[in-house]
Amino acid sequence: DAGITQSPRHKVTETGTPVTLRCHQTENHRYMYWYRQDPGHGLRLIHYSYGVKDTDKGEVSDGYSVSRSKTEDFLLTLESATSSQTSVYFCAISLLAGSDEQYFGPGTRLTVT
Amino acid sequence: KQEVTQIPAALSVPEGENLVLNCSFTDSAIYNLQWFRQDPGKGLTSLLLIQSSQREQTSGRLNASLDKSSGRSTLYIAASQPGDSATYLCAVRRYSGAGSYQLTFGKGTKLSVIP
Repeated sequence: DAGITQSPRHKVTETGTPVTLRCHQTENHRYMYWYRQDPGHGLRLIHYSYGVKDTDKGEVSDGYSVSRSKTEDFLLTLESATSSQTSVYFCAISLLAGSDEQYFGPGTRLTVT
Repeated sequence: KQEVTQIPAALSVPEGENLVLNCSFTDSAIYNLQWFRQDPGKGLTSLLLIQSSQREQTSGRLNASLDKSSGRSTLYIAASQPGDSATYLCAVRRYSGAGSYQLTFGKGTKLSVIP
């Protein structure tokens, strides 16, 4: 299994509070991704990174920001959590941009009350 | 906008049966296609990756085919086992500009293999 960890694994927070999710990899892969998975929508890309300090938006980036100060860590921040951001969040990595497989972390279940 | 559809949404088969899962996509300009397995409450496990220039890939009892021109892929599972019970997802990768590629996922087929 790819060395990807996510923390926390579960979190309950209140509307309006800031939340940061962490993805940590030990594979030294260049590309990292954040997805959310919701019933009826499948997995959707939030943000991705193609290198340290290099990030870009995905399909559903509104309300989220990311940072990558080290190759191994990719942080996802909800500046002011809303109930619509209740979801399961997955981090993924890939060595190459296009031809390589993506490997997924175990997920973080976030509930915003 | 790329759309990926997986039919059926759920499938129940007796153990030992061979089965086919279907995936269709609307834009044939894909770079590759990846099949995943997801167990309840778990992350995704990559099963097979097919490049756009390939027709099929095999791994053990799994065989995935790709017909890019018609926008279809199938995942064939031979001699199904109860341990194959999971949700199977397909995802297509397209070039999104600036050297980046993005995956678009289907909603999955939930497979139950009955002992």
